[in-house]
Amino acid sequence: DIVMTQSPLSLSVTPGEPASISCRSSQSLLYTNGHNYLDWFLQRPGQAPQLLIYLGSNRASGVPDRFSGSGSGTDFTLKISRVEAEDVGIYYCMQAVDSPRVTFGQGTRLEIK
Amino acid sequence: QVRLQQSGPGLVKPSQTLSLTCDIFGDSVSGNSVAWNWIRQSPSGGLEWLARTQFRSKWYHDYAKSVQGRVTINPDTSRNQFSLHLNSVTPEDTAVYFCARTWSYGIDIWGQGTTVIVSS
Repeated sequence: DIVMTQSPLSLSVTPGEPASISCRSSQSLLYTNGHNYLDWFLQRPGQAPQLLIYLGSNRASGVPDRFSGSGSGTDFTLKISRVEAEDVGIYYCMQAVDSPRVTFGQGTRLEIK
Repeated sequence: QVRLQQSGPGLVKPSQTLSLTCDIFGDSVSGNSVAWNWIRQSPSGGLEWLARTQFRSKWYHDYAKSVQGRVTINPDTSRNQFSLHLNSVTPEDTAVYFCARTWSYGIDIWGQGTTVIVSS
């Protein structure tokens, strides 16, 4: 299985300040079609995960443009340009290159200072 | 808008079978560009994919090695739903279980989650 490693595991951010989460995979997520099969999700307390970013850098429908994804191969980053209170929760990266056997990072808990 | 609605018991006794159902609204269980999954989240927060079903001229089912032999995923076209059956459960199967849709680029839609506790 592809192992996904996130860092940091927790983050405390002042509203309006930026935040960044790293995700590394044990194998390349770059498929032969040129796409990186890496998704980012936010799980708010008591809810199911919600898709934020797909194919490494594409925002899902309805996701604010303060969220951005970047990276290729084995190294990826999720950035929030200006954190808001509603961004609190746990962020997960997920690889889909080995679909159906998708695997997830451990999660990064974001809290507001 | 696609929505997934889960149902099933929240308490299962050890050695018995865990059964959950996911009703699909706004899409088709037999759609030829989507697939349907079960994923669980342990009490510590880790997410684990368990099973997938998809229709591509015929039905294909895939299972995680960790539960292979104990798990079955069943599509039901008449009710537009799919189910999970996990037998011989132990307390280690205690988790929040999610159904979810795979689209072209990964997983995009999730059910609301069902907390299942395995306990006598």
